[in-house]
Amino acid sequence: KAGVTQTPRYLIKTRGQQVTLSCSPISGHRSVSWYQQTPGQGLQFLFEYFSETQRNKGNFPGRFSGRQFSNSRSEMNVSTLELGDSALYLCASSAQDRDYGYTFGSGTRLTVV
Amino acid sequence: GQQVMQIPQYQHVQEGEDFTTYCNSSTTLSNIQWYKQRPGGHPVFLIQLVKSGEVKKQKRLTFQFGEAKKNSSLHITATQTTDVGTYFCAGLGKLIFGQGTELSVKP
Repeated sequence: KAGVTQTPRYLIKTRGQQVTLSCSPISGHRSVSWYQQTPGQGLQFLFEYFSETQRNKGNFPGRFSGRQFSNSRSEMNVSTLELGDSALYLCASSAQDRDYGYTFGSGTRLTVV
Repeated sequence: GQQVMQIPQYQHVQEGEDFTTYCNSSTTLSNIQWYKQRPGGHPVFLIQLVKSGEVKKQKRLTFQFGEAKKNSSLHITATQTTDVGTYFCAGLGKLIFGQGTELSVKP
């Protein structure tokens, strides 16, 4: 069974640009969540999608957005990048009942210069 | 909003010593999950606790859920170098993570 796949693994962008990150969940998982991980702030919840609908949202500015497609693949977009957006972005998928936890991808390491 | 606090932030132990990390929520949790993240890796699911007062064991790891379902703990007996990493608790509704406890083990 393939795991959660995130692409790209590494990304370097310039301040002011925008970026799109992709996440393919485990087959059959309909819930996809996104997290930002930084050394100082830990794992910060961005948003969760279930069956193409945003189910929960964290406390991030509107520059951070996401969507989920009918095949459960998800993308997140960050517009007008700031230096502080440099982080590891993790995607996690789960089955509907979540009893077996969330499975994380390896993440996308975004560096904004 | 829901907040999950975790202490300590860092713990350095000698191999063979015990280790405990504590998780406290500002609100009652429906359930709580624990994850481990090895250095350079991503979080990996360890266990879920659902019932008030629940205790679960995985080999040397013991997980507890408080009676009021607002706190939880993870205890590792006789730590090994393979236990190195950051341990996170996470409370559901949204999966809100605590800040994690980074464990280092000196051989």
